[in-house]
Amino acid sequence: AQTVTQSQPEMSVQEAETVTLSCTYDTSESDYYLFWYKQPPSRQMILVIRQEAYKQQNATENRFSVNFQKAAKSFSLKISDSQLGDAAMYFCAGMDSNYQLIWGAGTKLIIKP
Amino acid sequence: DAGVIQSPRHEVTEMGQEVTLRCKPISGHNSLFWYRQTMMRGLELLIYFNNNVPIDDSGMPEDRFSAKMPNASFSTLKIQPSEPRDSAVYFCASSPQGDYYEQYFGPGTRLTVT
Repeated sequence: AQTVTQSQPEMSVQEAETVTLSCTYDTSESDYYLFWYKQPPSRQMILVIRQEAYKQQNATENRFSVNFQKAAKSFSLKISDSQLGDAAMYFCAGMDSNYQLIWGAGTKLIIKP
Repeated sequence: DAGVIQSPRHEVTEMGQEVTLRCKPISGHNSLFWYRQTMMRGLELLIYFNNNVPIDDSGMPEDRFSAKMPNASFSTLKIQPSEPRDSAVYFCASSPQGDYYEQYFGPGTRLTVT
């Protein structure tokens, strides 16, 4: 079974700076997907970025990028040029062979103006 | 395009009452997922459907919970009887056929059982 661990309950960053959110996972599967979801105060769950395990290239979506270290089972999210609208809970998740998302506990991101 | 629609957005009920949560997936999506989010347990998958058929309900906590998907555009999650420990945010998500990897979430229903 997969497990996903987010060790940072809360992170803060100055507006316009860069912040990295950590995530580690454990799986026995050879092919899997990893995701970062954002949950703003509105409570909606929004997909930020996804990474296919078989791809060596790190996924990028505008200001959001991942550092995928397969051997270390690490999947961190980097947010560049942080904006006030980035304030939210960020959840790391992995998908198992049954297409079920396994969730981390979440990291609360605070943006300081 | 409208996203996943859930109703009600908030529900307050007394212990022992029946609660029905509703979800309308994105048109054309063939897979539907029900999740529960609590502070203690985080996000948990309760059940998911593919082409209106329940595929895996191993996450349903107990027999008091039931879910149906009578057609491609509607699903319900029912709790009967409700208990205070059922208080949580319940999310519905849908994904396109063949792409479980991109799940689109609804706004959630905040359930409070007193």
